[in-house]
Amino acid sequence: QKEVEQNSGPLSVPEGAIASLNCTYSDRGSQSFFWYRQYSGKSPELIMFIYSNGDKEDGRFTAQLNKASQYVSLLIRDSQPSDSATYLCAVIGQAGTALIFGKGTTLSVSS
Amino acid sequence: GAGVSQSPRYKVAKRGQDVALRCDPISGHVSLFWYQQALGQGPEFLTYFQNEAQLDKSGLPSDRFFAERPEGSVSTLKIQRTQQEDSAVYLCASSKQGNTEAFFGQGTRLTVV
Repeated sequence: QKEVEQNSGPLSVPEGAIASLNCTYSDRGSQSFFWYRQYSGKSPELIMFIYSNGDKEDGRFTAQLNKASQYVSLLIRDSQPSDSATYLCAVIGQAGTALIFGKGTTLSVSS
Repeated sequence: GAGVSQSPRYKVAKRGQDVALRCDPISGHVSLFWYQQALGQGPEFLTYFQNEAQLDKSGLPSDRFFAERPEGSVSTLKIQRTQQEDSAVYLCASSKQGNTEAFFGQGTRLTVV
């Protein structure tokens, strides 16, 4: 079992809709959770981080963490075509300091 | 500098050639990470430095891979006797501390022919 799992997609949503991206992780002691956006041919760009159970909102983005279920999600409200990218979930495990990434979910927002 | 800077952006190497990839982290960032990203995959961890100390090199795929950060700032990832399977994007990231948010450079795309 890979340490961080994401559905590779593609996830297709119409412009203005809510996009929901999900991620599960295997290390129950993980403490830090991150969402990166990666446009084709570009490097990952940090968009959200969350350390505590619950929701964290930043503009159109909401990160949700449920440590009991080992589940992290990212909601993008009012999706725009410019949100079309691959979204990478990353976790820092209990014993480590390095980010462990999932394979990423490709999001396509159609206008 | 304002962000993490990597050079070269692109590198084509003949099989068997040695290559050196450079990373200049954000000023003041203690932690530096190297990742390898194959097409369609998430970045895979290679190695981690805290200042000049290499604290974790568990992700280096073989002894042909070597990384250093001698003065705790700029880092170099060296790959000896390159093989075709080494073709990937090599990403460098830095952070203020080891388990806080990390920022990536533009990456070096290595193609071994």
